[in-house]
Amino acid sequence: GAGVSQSPSNKVTEKGKDVELRCDPISGHTALYWYRQSLGQGLEFLIYFQGNSAPDKSGLPSDRFSAERTGGSVSTLTIQRTQQEDSAVYLCASSLGTSGRTLNIQYFGAGTRLSVL
Amino acid sequence: GESVGLHLPTLSVQEGDNSIINCAYSNSASDYFIWYKQESGKGPQFIIDIRSNMDKRQGQRVTVLLNKTVKHLSLQIAATQPGDSAVYFCAQAGGTSYGKLTFGQGTILTVHP
Repeated sequence: GAGVSQSPSNKVTEKGKDVELRCDPISGHTALYWYRQSLGQGLEFLIYFQGNSAPDKSGLPSDRFSAERTGGSVSTLTIQRTQQEDSAVYLCASSLGTSGRTLNIQYFGAGTRLSVL
Repeated sequence: GESVGLHLPTLSVQEGDNSIINCAYSNSASDYFIWYKQESGKGPQFIIDIRSNMDKRQGQRVTVLLNKTVKHLSLQIAATQPGDSAVYFCAQAGGTSYGKLTFGQGTILTVHP
């Protein structure tokens, strides 16, 4: 079966532009997560969805960042008025659920590499 | 605040040797710990996990050890192969929710043929 799919794989944009990053989770996975990974760093949690609701959005760095999920499937992470410090790899993951060990195993996509010039 | 850190940022081993990657964590409320492997240009790949009610868990060529007394987690890889070369991250789930994972900085494992 297909894994987590993210698009685009690479995105180059100019400072001040808005960008949208897309994530298609594994079919049947109810939970979806967004992380950010700066060069040579670990993953930084941004937000997660259970269904279409976001119980925890504490990792969003500023109000320029927003995310939505529709139909319990595809999610879009939007960054408005991009800044150079937004340059990073944005990773999406999905899991069957969020309760219990097996349900919470998160499977990651390959990420979107965002470069803000 | 929560943090998950690694003692060694890089580890270099010979093929066939056993590798041990260490991780310290600070949030004692977490009860779920995971190891991920990340190869260049790819997303992290799940390796093995452990709940806090266990001290040890074994998978195929990998073993995770959890010492709650000193808040230490380790990943042991037996008979390390060149294909094991990657960055390894430990992560912990939040104390009140499994949703959010807190990741360490990562250890670069290099296996020499």
